[in-house]
Amino acid sequence: AQTVTQSQPEMSVQEAETVTLSCTYDTSESDYYLFWYKQPPSRQMILVIRQEAYKQQNATENRFSVNFQKAAKSFSLKISDSQLGDAAMYFCAYHRGGADGLTFGKGTHLIIQP
Amino acid sequence: GAVVSQHPSRVICKSGTSVKIECRSLDFQATTMFWYRQFPKQSLMLMATSNEGSKATYEQGVEKDKFLINHASLTLSTLTVTSAHPEDSSFYICSASTLAGSTDTQYFGPGTRLTVL
Repeated sequence: AQTVTQSQPEMSVQEAETVTLSCTYDTSESDYYLFWYKQPPSRQMILVIRQEAYKQQNATENRFSVNFQKAAKSFSLKISDSQLGDAAMYFCAYHRGGADGLTFGKGTHLIIQP
Repeated sequence: GAVVSQHPSRVICKSGTSVKIECRSLDFQATTMFWYRQFPKQSLMLMATSNEGSKATYEQGVEKDKFLINHASLTLSTLTVTSAHPEDSSFYICSASTLAGSTDTQYFGPGTRLTVL
């Protein structure tokens, strides 16, 4: 079974600074998809960024970028120029593809210090 | 973008009663819908996968007779918690996918908070 590990229960960063959230996963598949989701206090899951395993290029979405290391099974999220609105729970998720659901990590609570 | 709604957003019920939660895709047809459960300060755990017109597939450890899932149309899936007990109190979230196998299009509903007294 696939597992997703987020080793940082909580991270704190000053506003405007950069923070990196860690995620590792375990799978025997060669093709799969990885996601970072944000869950603010409203609890609505918001897709931040996605990465297809077959793509070598790291995904980027504005201030959000990933460092995808397929051999190491690592998928970290970098948030640049942190903003107060970035404060939330961040979940790393794995998708094998097909009609499977997502496997989530335990989450990292990101605090933005003004 | 695609919108998924859930109703109700909050429900409180007495122990032993049944509760139905609806998940609707508002502007697209969802061939596959997923139900997750999230306990306080924990992650989302997949409960079951439902495909329109067929029986749901439950994850290991999820009681199919307790959590009844119906996906009768391409825009509606329902989760019924039967004979609810306090330990069933949780946050239930659905997601919907437009095409089986398409990873680009899994959208989440806003969730339903269930409290069983």
